[in-house]
Amino acid sequence: AQSVTQLGSHVSVSEGALVLLRCNYSSSVPPYLFWYVQYPNQGLQLLLKYTSAATLVKGINGFEAEFKKSETSFHLTKPSAHMSDAAEYFCAVRRAEKLVFGKGTKLTVNP
Amino acid sequence: GAGVSQSPRYKVAKRGQDVALRCDPISGHVSLFWYQQALGQGPEFLTYFQNEAQLDKSGLPSDRFFAERPEGSVSTLKIQRTQQEDSAVYLCASSADRGALGNTIYFGEGSWLTVV
Repeated sequence: AQSVTQLGSHVSVSEGALVLLRCNYSSSVPPYLFWYVQYPNQGLQLLLKYTSAATLVKGINGFEAEFKKSETSFHLTKPSAHMSDAAEYFCAVRRAEKLVFGKGTKLTVNP
Repeated sequence: GAGVSQSPRYKVAKRGQDVALRCDPISGHVSLFWYQQALGQGPEFLTYFQNEAQLDKSGLPSDRFFAERPEGSVSTLKIQRTQQEDSAVYLCASSADRGALGNTIYFGEGSWLTVV
């Protein structure tokens, strides 16, 4: 069955530093992969998605993710963290009609 | 509307009380989903509608949970005889597709249920 694993439930970076949030997937077929962000007391907002077009996907707020089939990974990166990036980030895979989410990574940005 | 709208945003229920959570999806969206998100966890699938048809309810945790979408637009998630373990955020989402896997699923801000 298709699933995702997010490594690291908490990540802390300094403002201006590289952000790297890890996601590995398991799928027997080409997956459709998504990254969502959740700010405190809010719903989920789509950051970006991979749908088998380009392997490097650019999203909103300066985030991007690279699909690597050989590593079964879809890590999320941002070159320079901003205080406003502090939130929880969820990787998800589309399994039939539904999304299956990872457990999430909480990102803290220190001044 | 412009986005997925959910009400109430916050609900405190006494154990044993019935609750109803409403979702108004993006206009014209065919697919509608309900998810449950416990504190510190990722969202877990509950159920899926395509128009008024409930095609998948495999995630509903017990027969106390019931969802409907009678006219293929607004949906209601009902929880009967609430228990403390039902405390969670209930997220509604919608999508324009009929199963097109690459399409975006849009989420509402959630209904925060606390059972005391």
